[in-house]
Amino acid sequence: GAVVSQHPSWVICKSGTSVKIECRSLDFQATTMFWYRQFPKQSLMLMATSNEGSKATYEQGVEKDKFLINHASLTLSTLTVTSAHPEDSSFYICSSPGPTNEKLFFGSGTQLSVL
Amino acid sequence: GQQVMQIPQYQHVQEGEDFTTYCNSSTTLSNIQWYKQRPGGHPVFLIQLVKSGEVKKQKRLTFQFGEAKKNSSLHITATQTTDVGTYFCADLTGNQFYFGTGTSLTVIP
Repeated sequence: GAVVSQHPSWVICKSGTSVKIECRSLDFQATTMFWYRQFPKQSLMLMATSNEGSKATYEQGVEKDKFLINHASLTLSTLTVTSAHPEDSSFYICSSPGPTNEKLFFGSGTQLSVL
Repeated sequence: GQQVMQIPQYQHVQEGEDFTTYCNSSTTLSNIQWYKQRPGGHPVFLIQLVKSGEVKKQKRLTFQFGEAKKNSSLHITATQTTDVGTYFCADLTGNQFYFGTGTSLTVIP
Protein backbone atom coordinates (compact mmCIF):
# COMPACT_ATOMS: atom_id res chain seq x y z
CA GLY A 1 0.00 0.00 0.00
CA ALA A 2 0.91 3.65 -0.27
CA VAL A 3 3.12 5.12 2.44
CA VAL A 4 2.82 8.60 3.91
CA SER A 5 5.73 9.65 6.08
CA GLN A 6 5.06 12.37 8.65
CA HIS A 7 7.65 14.26 10.71
CA PRO A 8 8.16 15.07 13.46
CA SER A 9 6.27 12.58 15.62
CA TRP A 10 6.52 14.77 18.71
CA VAL A 11 7.27 18.43 19.12
CA ILE A 12 7.30 20.61 22.19
CA CYS A 13 7.60 24.32 21.65
CA LYS A 14 7.28 27.58 23.50
CA SER A 15 4.24 29.76 23.09
CA GLY A 16 4.66 32.19 20.21
CA THR A 17 6.95 30.05 18.11
CA SER A 18 6.11 28.40 14.79
CA VAL A 19 6.18 24.69 14.10
CA LYS A 20 6.40 23.00 10.71
CA ILE A 21 5.02 19.53 10.11
CA GLU A 22 5.96 17.63 6.97
CA CYS A 23 4.15 14.87 5.16
CA ARG A 24 5.80 13.03 2.31
CA SER A 25 4.33 10.43 0.01
CA LEU A 26 7.08 7.85 -0.43
CA ASP A 27 5.86 5.61 -3.23
CA PHE A 28 3.18 7.57 -5.01
CA GLN A 29 2.33 11.08 -6.07
CA ALA A 30 0.04 12.78 -3.60
CA THR A 31 -2.00 15.24 -5.60
CA THR A 32 -4.21 15.83 -2.59
CA MET A 33 -3.34 15.90 1.11
CA PHE A 34 -5.85 16.23 3.90
CA TRP A 35 -4.84 17.72 7.23
CA TYR A 36 -6.69 16.69 10.36
CA ARG A 37 -6.51 17.65 14.02
CA GLN A 38 -7.47 15.24 16.75
CA PHE A 39 -7.95 16.06 20.42
CA PRO A 40 -7.70 13.25 23.01
CA LYS A 41 -10.52 10.74 22.72
CA GLN A 42 -12.16 12.74 19.96
CA SER A 43 -12.66 12.35 16.25
CA LEU A 44 -10.50 13.59 13.41
CA MET A 45 -11.52 17.09 12.42
CA LEU A 46 -10.71 18.07 8.87
CA MET A 47 -8.76 21.31 8.90
CA ALA A 48 -7.90 21.79 5.27
CA THR A 49 -7.38 20.13 1.94
CA SER A 50 -4.25 20.88 -0.01
CA ASN A 51 -3.76 20.26 -3.69
CA GLU A 52 -0.39 20.33 -5.39
CA GLY A 53 0.31 23.67 -6.98
CA SER A 54 -2.76 25.48 -5.71
CA LYS A 55 -4.02 27.16 -2.57
CA ALA A 56 -5.35 25.01 0.21
CA THR A 57 -9.06 24.86 0.97
CA TYR A 58 -9.75 25.48 4.64
CA GLU A 59 -12.72 24.24 6.62
CA GLN A 60 -14.99 26.74 8.28
CA GLY A 61 -13.50 28.05 11.51
CA VAL A 62 -9.89 27.18 10.67
CA GLU A 63 -7.64 30.22 10.48
CA LYS A 64 -5.68 30.09 7.26
CA ASP A 65 -3.14 32.62 8.50
CA LYS A 66 -2.44 30.53 11.55
CA PHE A 67 -2.27 27.15 9.88
CA LEU A 68 -0.21 27.65 6.76
CA ILE A 69 -0.33 24.82 4.28
CA ASN A 70 2.05 24.41 1.40
CA HIS A 71 1.86 21.68 -1.22
CA ALA A 72 4.63 22.68 -3.59
CA SER A 73 5.36 19.23 -4.99
CA LEU A 74 3.56 15.97 -5.61
CA THR A 75 5.38 14.30 -2.76
CA LEU A 76 5.47 16.94 -0.05
CA SER A 77 2.86 18.87 1.88
CA THR A 78 3.62 20.94 4.96
CA LEU A 79 1.55 22.43 7.74
CA THR A 80 3.02 25.31 9.71
CA VAL A 81 1.39 26.28 12.97
CA THR A 82 2.34 29.93 13.34
CA SER A 83 2.61 31.71 16.68
CA ALA A 84 1.56 28.59 18.49
CA HIS A 85 -0.37 28.83 21.74
CA PRO A 86 -1.24 26.18 24.33
CA GLU A 87 -4.71 25.76 22.84
CA ASP A 88 -3.05 24.61 19.61
CA SER A 89 -1.69 21.58 21.43
CA SER A 90 -3.14 18.59 19.65
CA PHE A 91 -2.45 15.59 17.46
CA TYR A 92 -2.07 16.66 13.82
CA ILE A 93 -2.26 14.03 11.13
CA CYS A 94 -2.09 14.11 7.36
CA SER A 95 -3.57 11.71 4.87
CA SER A 96 -3.74 11.22 1.16
CA PRO A 97 -6.18 9.26 -0.99
CA GLY A 98 -3.32 7.30 -2.49
CA PRO A 99 -2.70 6.40 -6.12
CA THR A 100 -6.16 4.93 -6.71
CA ASN A 101 -7.93 7.81 -4.97
CA GLU A 102 -10.21 5.39 -3.13
CA LYS A 103 -9.07 5.23 0.47
CA LEU A 104 -6.98 7.30 2.80
CA PHE A 105 -3.41 6.53 3.78
CA PHE A 106 -2.37 8.32 6.94
CA GLY A 107 0.87 9.66 8.22
CA SER A 108 1.85 8.57 11.71
CA GLY A 109 0.77 11.89 13.18
CA THR A 110 2.47 14.70 15.09
CA GLN A 111 1.76 15.34 18.75
CA LEU A 112 2.24 19.07 19.34
CA SER A 113 2.60 20.41 22.85
CA VAL A 114 2.81 24.17 23.28
CA LEU A 115 4.10 25.35 26.63
CA GLY B 1 -18.27 20.37 7.11
CA GLN B 2 -20.37 17.28 7.27
CA GLN B 3 -21.39 15.77 10.60
CA VAL B 4 -21.67 12.04 10.82
CA MET B 5 -22.72 10.76 14.23
CA GLN B 6 -21.65 7.48 15.67
CA ILE B 7 -23.06 5.59 18.61
CA PRO B 8 -22.07 4.56 21.11
CA GLN B 9 -19.16 6.86 21.90
CA TYR B 10 -17.60 4.26 24.16
CA GLN B 11 -18.15 0.53 24.55
CA HIS B 12 -16.63 -1.89 27.03
CA VAL B 13 -17.15 -5.57 26.31
CA GLN B 14 -15.94 -8.81 27.79
CA GLU B 15 -13.68 -10.74 25.46
CA GLY B 16 -15.85 -13.04 23.38
CA GLU B 17 -18.87 -10.76 23.38
CA ASP B 18 -20.15 -9.11 20.24
CA PHE B 19 -19.83 -5.39 19.46
CA THR B 20 -21.70 -3.08 17.12
CA THR B 21 -21.16 0.57 16.24
CA TYR B 22 -23.62 2.61 14.25
CA CYS B 23 -23.01 5.52 11.94
CA ASN B 24 -25.81 7.95 11.08
CA SER B 25 -26.01 10.84 8.67
CA SER B 26 -28.78 13.35 8.06
CA THR B 27 -27.90 13.40 4.38
CA THR B 28 -27.54 10.66 1.82
CA LEU B 29 -24.00 9.36 1.60
CA SER B 30 -22.41 8.59 -1.73
CA ASN B 31 -20.26 5.96 -0.07
CA ILE B 32 -18.97 5.19 3.38
CA GLN B 33 -15.65 3.94 4.60
CA TRP B 34 -14.62 2.43 7.92
CA TYR B 35 -11.30 2.97 9.65
CA LYS B 36 -9.73 1.61 12.82
CA GLN B 37 -7.35 3.60 14.99
CA ARG B 38 -5.38 1.74 17.63
CA PRO B 39 -4.44 3.69 20.77
CA GLY B 40 -1.53 5.96 19.92
CA GLY B 41 -1.70 5.04 16.25
CA HIS B 42 -3.11 6.39 13.06
CA PRO B 43 -6.34 5.33 11.32
CA VAL B 44 -6.15 2.35 9.02
CA PHE B 45 -8.64 1.69 6.25
CA LEU B 46 -10.92 -1.29 6.77
CA ILE B 47 -13.52 -1.24 4.03
CA GLN B 48 -15.66 0.83 1.68
CA LEU B 49 -19.38 0.42 1.07
CA VAL B 50 -20.98 1.93 -1.99
CA LYS B 51 -24.27 0.26 -2.79
CA SER B 52 -27.56 0.64 -0.96
CA GLY B 53 -28.08 -2.29 1.40
CA GLU B 54 -24.57 -3.60 0.81
CA VAL B 55 -23.13 -6.08 3.29
CA LYS B 56 -19.47 -7.02 3.42
CA LYS B 57 -17.61 -9.35 5.72
CA GLN B 58 -14.01 -9.52 6.84
CA LYS B 59 -13.54 -12.55 9.09
CA ARG B 60 -15.33 -11.55 12.33
CA LEU B 61 -16.25 -8.08 11.05
CA THR B 62 -19.53 -7.42 9.22
CA PHE B 63 -20.18 -4.07 7.58
CA GLN B 64 -23.57 -2.91 6.39
CA PHE B 65 -24.79 0.10 4.42
CA GLY B 66 -28.40 1.14 4.96
CA GLU B 67 -30.99 0.97 2.23
CA ALA B 68 -31.37 4.74 2.24
CA LYS B 69 -27.57 5.20 2.36
CA LYS B 70 -27.90 7.34 5.46
CA ASN B 71 -26.57 4.87 7.97
CA SER B 72 -24.04 2.13 8.33
CA SER B 73 -22.97 -0.37 10.94
CA LEU B 74 -19.93 -2.39 11.90
CA HIS B 75 -20.46 -5.57 13.86
CA ILE B 76 -17.67 -7.60 15.43
CA THR B 77 -18.44 -11.15 16.46
CA ALA B 78 -16.68 -12.66 19.46
CA THR B 79 -14.38 -9.74 20.21
CA GLN B 80 -10.71 -10.28 20.93
CA THR B 81 -8.23 -8.03 22.72
CA THR B 82 -6.72 -7.18 19.35
CA ASP B 83 -9.98 -5.47 18.42
CA VAL B 84 -9.28 -2.67 20.90
CA GLY B 85 -9.27 0.78 19.30
CA THR B 86 -11.51 3.48 17.95
CA TYR B 87 -13.65 2.74 14.93
CA PHE B 88 -14.55 5.60 12.63
CA CYS B 89 -16.86 5.79 9.70
CA ALA B 90 -15.95 8.31 7.05
CA ASP B 91 -17.95 10.02 4.36
CA LEU B 92 -16.36 10.96 1.07
CA THR B 93 -18.15 14.05 -0.13
CA GLY B 94 -16.90 16.13 -3.01
CA ASN B 95 -13.33 14.80 -2.75
CA GLN B 96 -13.17 15.47 0.99
CA PHE B 97 -13.22 12.89 3.73
CA TYR B 98 -15.23 13.68 6.85
CA PHE B 99 -14.96 11.37 9.81
CA GLY B 100 -17.68 10.29 12.18
CA THR B 101 -17.40 10.92 15.89
CA GLY B 102 -15.96 7.47 16.48
CA THR B 103 -16.65 4.59 18.85
CA SER B 104 -13.93 3.61 21.29
CA LEU B 105 -13.91 -0.13 21.99
CA THR B 106 -12.35 -1.61 25.09
CA VAL B 107 -12.14 -5.38 25.36
CA ILE B 108 -11.77 -6.81 28.84
CA PRO B 109 -9.80 -10.06 28.89
